[in-house]
Amino acid sequence: EAGVTQSPTHLIKTRGQQATLRCSPISGHTSVYWYQQALGLGLQFLLWYDEGEERNRGNFPPRFSGRQFPNYSSELNVNALELEDSALYLCASSLAGGRRNEQYFGPGTRLTVT
Amino acid sequence: AQTVTQSQPEMSVQEAETVTLSCTYDTSENNYYLFWYKQPPSRQMILVIRQEAYKQQNATENRFSVNFQKAAKSFSLKISDSQLGDTAMYFCAFLAGNNDMRFGAGTRLTVKP
Repeated sequence: EAGVTQSPTHLIKTRGQQATLRCSPISGHTSVYWYQQALGLGLQFLLWYDEGEERNRGNFPPRFSGRQFPNYSSELNVNALELEDSALYLCASSLAGGRRNEQYFGPGTRLTVT
Repeated sequence: AQTVTQSQPEMSVQEAETVTLSCTYDTSENNYYLFWYKQPPSRQMILVIRQEAYKQQNATENRFSVNFQKAAKSFSLKISDSQLGDTAMYFCAFLAGNNDMRFGAGTRLTVKP
């Protein structure tokens, strides 16, 4: 069974540009989560999508947004990039959102903003 | 707000020995879940073990076990018979309402041959 996949592996952008990160969940999973892992700051919850709807978002500015497609894959968009957006962005998926369901993580996208 | 604290930034252990990683959390909720995730240098986050707060019995997965003390809000991970492949960052995580999983800052574990 294929795990969570993310693309691209690495992304280099210039300050002020937009970045788009993609995630495909495990087959059968309907919930997708996005996390930011900045150096030395641990994982910070960004967004949760389930059945195409945004269910919850973390304490991030509106320039962090995303969507979930009918096939449950997801996109994370970061507008007006700032240097501090440089981080590893992890996507996770689970069965329908609920506390009982473990989240399975992808390998991440390393975003570098110069 | 829920917070997760891992007070050991780095730890090391000799191969085949036992090591315990500490985690404490703060919450006012009664029903929640706790996890330990492992992140090796490859960056892939791997679920090691989970614990439901309503279960008194400590979870065990092969060489990995937890000591869950609900009243003390403590959730430590014990790794027995440490192996070189256990070298990784270990994150303690708390999951309650709204699926907002909170992670600790992590403990970097090095297993020495």
